[in-house]
Amino acid sequence: DTAVSQTPKYLVTQMGNDKSIKCEQNLGHDTMYWYKQDSKKFLKIMFSYNNKELIINETVPNRFSPKSPDKAHLNLHINSLELGDSAVYFCASSQRTGGIRETQYFGPGTRLLVL
Amino acid sequence: SQELEQSPQSLIVQEGKNLTINCTSSKTLYGLYWYKQKYGEGLIFLMMLQKGGEEKSHEKITAKLDEKKQQSSLHITASQPSHAGIYLCGADLASGNMLTFGGGTRLMVKP
Repeated sequence: DTAVSQTPKYLVTQMGNDKSIKCEQNLGHDTMYWYKQDSKKFLKIMFSYNNKELIINETVPNRFSPKSPDKAHLNLHINSLELGDSAVYFCASSQRTGGIRETQYFGPGTRLLVL
Repeated sequence: SQELEQSPQSLIVQEGKNLTINCTSSKTLYGLYWYKQKYGEGLIFLMMLQKGGEEKSHEKITAKLDEKKQQSSLHITASQPSHAGIYLCGADLASGNMLTFGGGTRLMVKP
Protein backbone atom coordinates (compact mmCIF):
# COMPACT_ATOMS: atom_id res chain seq x y z
CA ASP A 1 0.00 0.00 0.00
CA THR A 2 2.26 2.74 -1.36
CA ALA A 3 1.57 6.17 0.10
CA VAL A 4 3.25 8.36 -2.53
CA SER A 5 4.11 6.75 -5.84
CA GLN A 6 5.88 8.04 -8.91
CA THR A 7 6.22 6.79 -12.45
CA PRO A 8 8.46 6.15 -14.15
CA LYS A 9 11.25 5.26 -11.76
CA TYR A 10 13.86 5.85 -14.47
CA LEU A 11 13.63 8.08 -17.52
CA VAL A 12 16.31 8.41 -20.17
CA THR A 13 15.60 10.81 -23.01
CA GLN A 14 17.17 13.04 -25.61
CA MET A 15 17.76 16.75 -25.24
CA GLY A 16 14.90 18.79 -26.65
CA ASN A 17 12.20 16.22 -25.91
CA ASP A 18 9.11 16.84 -23.80
CA LYS A 19 8.42 14.43 -20.95
CA SER A 20 6.10 13.94 -18.00
CA ILE A 21 6.52 12.38 -14.59
CA LYS A 22 3.44 11.20 -12.73
CA CYS A 23 2.80 11.33 -8.99
CA GLU A 24 -0.06 9.87 -7.03
CA GLN A 25 -0.77 9.89 -3.30
CA ASN A 26 -3.34 7.80 -1.47
CA LEU A 27 -3.00 9.59 1.86
CA GLY A 28 -5.92 11.93 1.30
CA HIS A 29 -3.59 14.92 1.51
CA ASP A 30 -4.58 18.26 0.06
CA THR A 31 -1.14 19.57 -0.88
CA MET A 32 1.50 18.11 -3.16
CA TYR A 33 5.04 19.15 -4.01
CA TRP A 34 7.82 18.57 -6.48
CA TYR A 35 11.46 18.65 -5.45
CA LYS A 36 14.62 18.31 -7.51
CA GLN A 37 17.75 16.61 -6.20
CA ASP A 38 20.87 17.35 -8.21
CA SER A 39 24.03 15.30 -8.62
CA LYS A 40 25.45 16.76 -5.40
CA LYS A 41 22.37 15.55 -3.54
CA PHE A 42 21.05 19.06 -2.89
CA LEU A 43 17.29 18.85 -2.61
CA LYS A 44 15.33 21.94 -3.67
CA ILE A 45 11.64 22.73 -3.76
CA MET A 46 10.18 23.37 -7.19
CA PHE A 47 6.44 23.66 -6.63
CA SER A 48 3.83 23.53 -3.93
CA TYR A 49 0.25 22.96 -5.07
CA ASN A 50 -3.17 22.49 -3.59
CA ASN A 51 -6.57 23.11 -5.10
CA LYS A 52 -6.37 26.76 -4.17
CA GLU A 53 -2.91 27.89 -5.03
CA LEU A 54 0.24 27.08 -6.89
CA ILE A 55 3.46 28.34 -5.39
CA ILE A 56 6.42 28.30 -7.71
CA ASN A 57 10.05 28.55 -6.69
CA GLU A 58 11.23 31.53 -8.71
CA THR A 59 14.37 29.69 -9.81
CA VAL A 60 12.39 27.04 -11.70
CA PRO A 61 12.42 27.57 -15.49
CA ASN A 62 9.01 27.95 -17.11
CA ARG A 63 9.74 24.79 -19.13
CA PHE A 64 8.59 22.99 -15.99
CA SER A 65 4.89 22.95 -15.25
CA PRO A 66 2.85 21.00 -12.71
CA LYS A 67 -0.55 19.68 -13.73
CA SER A 68 -3.07 18.31 -11.28
CA PRO A 69 -6.03 16.38 -12.70
CA ASP A 70 -7.35 15.83 -9.18
CA LYS A 71 -6.35 16.09 -5.52
CA ALA A 72 -4.50 12.79 -5.53
CA HIS A 73 -2.30 13.51 -8.54
CA LEU A 74 0.33 16.09 -9.41
CA ASN A 75 2.21 15.46 -12.64
CA LEU A 76 5.33 17.27 -13.72
CA HIS A 77 5.66 18.27 -17.37
CA ILE A 78 9.01 19.28 -18.74
CA ASN A 79 9.35 20.88 -22.18
CA SER A 80 12.49 21.12 -24.28
CA LEU A 81 14.62 19.05 -21.93
CA GLU A 82 18.17 20.24 -21.32
CA LEU A 83 21.23 18.40 -20.07
CA GLY A 84 21.04 20.28 -16.77
CA ASP A 85 17.61 18.85 -16.10
CA SER A 86 19.23 15.50 -15.31
CA ALA A 87 18.47 14.87 -11.66
CA VAL A 88 16.24 12.91 -9.33
CA TYR A 89 12.76 14.37 -9.00
CA PHE A 90 10.78 13.71 -5.85
CA CYS A 91 7.10 14.16 -5.31
CA ALA A 92 5.77 14.73 -1.81
CA SER A 93 2.43 15.36 -0.14
CA SER A 94 1.10 16.72 3.12
CA GLN A 95 -2.12 17.84 4.71
CA ARG A 96 -2.18 21.57 5.24
CA THR A 97 -4.64 22.08 8.03
CA GLY A 98 -5.40 25.61 9.12
CA GLY A 99 -1.83 26.66 9.73
CA ILE A 100 -0.82 23.47 11.51
CA ARG A 101 2.36 22.14 10.03
CA GLU A 102 2.07 18.61 8.73
CA THR A 103 4.78 16.20 7.73
CA GLN A 104 5.58 15.81 4.06
CA TYR A 105 5.82 12.26 2.79
CA PHE A 106 8.01 11.61 -0.18
CA GLY A 107 7.76 9.33 -3.17
CA PRO A 108 10.64 7.06 -4.26
CA GLY A 109 11.93 9.50 -6.86
CA THR A 110 12.26 9.52 -10.64
CA ARG A 111 15.77 9.43 -12.00
CA LEU A 112 15.89 11.54 -15.16
CA LEU A 113 18.86 11.41 -17.48
CA VAL A 114 18.97 13.75 -20.46
CA LEU A 115 21.42 12.78 -23.21
CA SER B 1 25.97 29.85 1.28
CA GLN B 2 23.09 27.51 2.03
CA GLU B 3 20.18 28.64 4.18
CA LEU B 4 20.46 25.34 6.01
CA GLU B 5 23.93 24.07 6.75
CA GLN B 6 24.55 20.52 7.84
CA SER B 7 27.69 19.25 9.49
CA PRO B 8 29.57 17.14 9.00
CA GLN B 9 29.08 16.54 5.28
CA SER B 10 30.19 12.95 5.70
CA LEU B 11 30.88 10.70 8.62
CA ILE B 12 32.42 7.25 9.00
CA VAL B 13 32.01 5.59 12.39
CA GLN B 14 32.67 2.19 13.84
CA GLU B 15 29.63 0.12 14.67
CA GLY B 16 28.53 0.73 18.23
CA LYS B 17 29.78 4.31 18.39
CA ASN B 18 27.58 7.33 19.03
CA LEU B 19 27.40 10.20 16.59
CA THR B 20 25.80 13.61 16.17
CA ILE B 21 24.73 15.49 13.05
CA ASN B 22 23.99 19.20 13.21
CA CYS B 23 21.71 21.40 11.17
CA THR B 24 21.99 25.18 11.45
CA SER B 25 19.65 27.69 9.88
CA SER B 26 20.35 31.27 8.83
CA LYS B 27 16.66 32.09 9.27
CA THR B 28 13.91 31.53 11.79
CA LEU B 29 12.75 27.94 11.86
CA TYR B 30 9.01 27.31 11.61
CA GLY B 31 9.43 23.57 11.64
CA LEU B 32 12.41 21.25 11.38
CA TYR B 33 12.27 17.82 9.79
CA TRP B 34 14.78 15.01 9.67
CA TYR B 35 14.74 12.54 6.81
CA LYS B 36 16.93 9.60 5.88
CA GLN B 37 17.72 8.63 2.32
CA LYS B 38 19.28 5.37 1.25
CA TYR B 39 21.09 5.23 -2.08
CA GLY B 40 18.65 5.06 -4.95
CA GLU B 41 15.62 5.41 -2.72
CA GLY B 42 13.24 8.07 -1.54
CA LEU B 43 13.25 10.04 1.69
CA ILE B 44 12.08 8.32 4.84
CA PHE B 45 10.58 10.63 7.44
CA LEU B 46 12.27 10.35 10.83
CA MET B 47 11.06 13.18 13.05
CA MET B 48 9.53 16.64 13.08
CA LEU B 49 10.34 19.30 15.68
CA GLN B 50 8.39 22.50 16.06
CA LYS B 51 9.00 24.01 19.46
CA GLY B 52 12.19 25.30 20.97
CA GLY B 53 13.67 22.79 23.34
CA GLU B 54 11.64 19.97 21.84
CA GLU B 55 13.27 16.57 21.81
CA LYS B 56 12.01 13.41 20.14
CA SER B 57 13.35 9.90 20.03
CA HIS B 58 12.71 6.90 17.85
CA GLU B 59 14.60 3.71 18.61
CA LYS B 60 18.23 4.83 18.86
CA ILE B 61 17.79 8.19 17.15
CA THR B 62 17.16 11.40 19.09
CA ALA B 63 16.57 14.84 17.61
CA LYS B 64 16.57 18.16 19.43
CA LEU B 65 15.62 21.66 18.43
CA ASP B 66 17.32 24.73 19.82
CA GLU B 67 15.11 27.49 18.50
CA LYS B 68 17.21 30.34 19.84
CA LYS B 69 20.27 29.03 18.11
CA GLN B 70 18.21 28.14 15.05
CA GLN B 71 19.81 24.75 15.23
CA SER B 72 18.85 21.09 15.43
CA SER B 73 20.92 18.05 16.20
CA LEU B 74 20.37 14.39 15.40
CA HIS B 75 22.05 11.93 17.70
CA ILE B 76 22.44 8.21 17.02
CA THR B 77 23.35 5.97 19.91
CA ALA B 78 25.23 2.71 19.41
CA SER B 79 25.25 3.01 15.61
CA GLN B 80 24.57 0.00 13.41
CA PRO B 81 25.21 -0.65 9.71
CA SER B 82 21.47 -0.19 9.13
CA HIS B 83 21.88 3.46 10.13
CA ALA B 84 24.02 4.12 7.07
CA GLY B 85 22.61 6.54 4.52
CA ILE B 86 22.18 10.24 3.87
CA TYR B 87 20.54 12.25 6.61
CA LEU B 88 18.78 15.39 5.48
CA CYS B 89 17.38 18.17 7.58
CA GLY B 90 14.56 20.16 6.06
CA ALA B 91 13.02 23.31 7.42
CA ASP B 92 10.08 25.53 6.76
CA LEU B 93 11.84 28.90 6.64
CA ALA B 94 8.98 31.00 5.37
CA SER B 95 5.94 29.45 7.09
CA GLY B 96 4.62 28.31 3.73
CA ASN B 97 5.32 24.63 4.29
CA MET B 98 7.75 24.52 1.38
CA LEU B 99 10.81 22.84 2.76
CA THR B 100 14.36 24.02 2.34
CA PHE B 101 16.88 21.23 2.77
CA GLY B 102 20.43 21.10 4.01
CA GLY B 103 23.16 19.52 1.92
CA GLY B 104 22.89 16.20 3.69
CA THR B 105 25.24 14.17 5.87
CA ARG B 106 26.50 10.91 4.41
CA LEU B 107 26.88 8.36 7.17
CA MET B 108 28.78 5.13 6.84
CA VAL B 109 28.92 2.63 9.71
CA LYS B 110 31.77 0.14 9.61
CA PRO B 111 30.97 -3.31 11.01
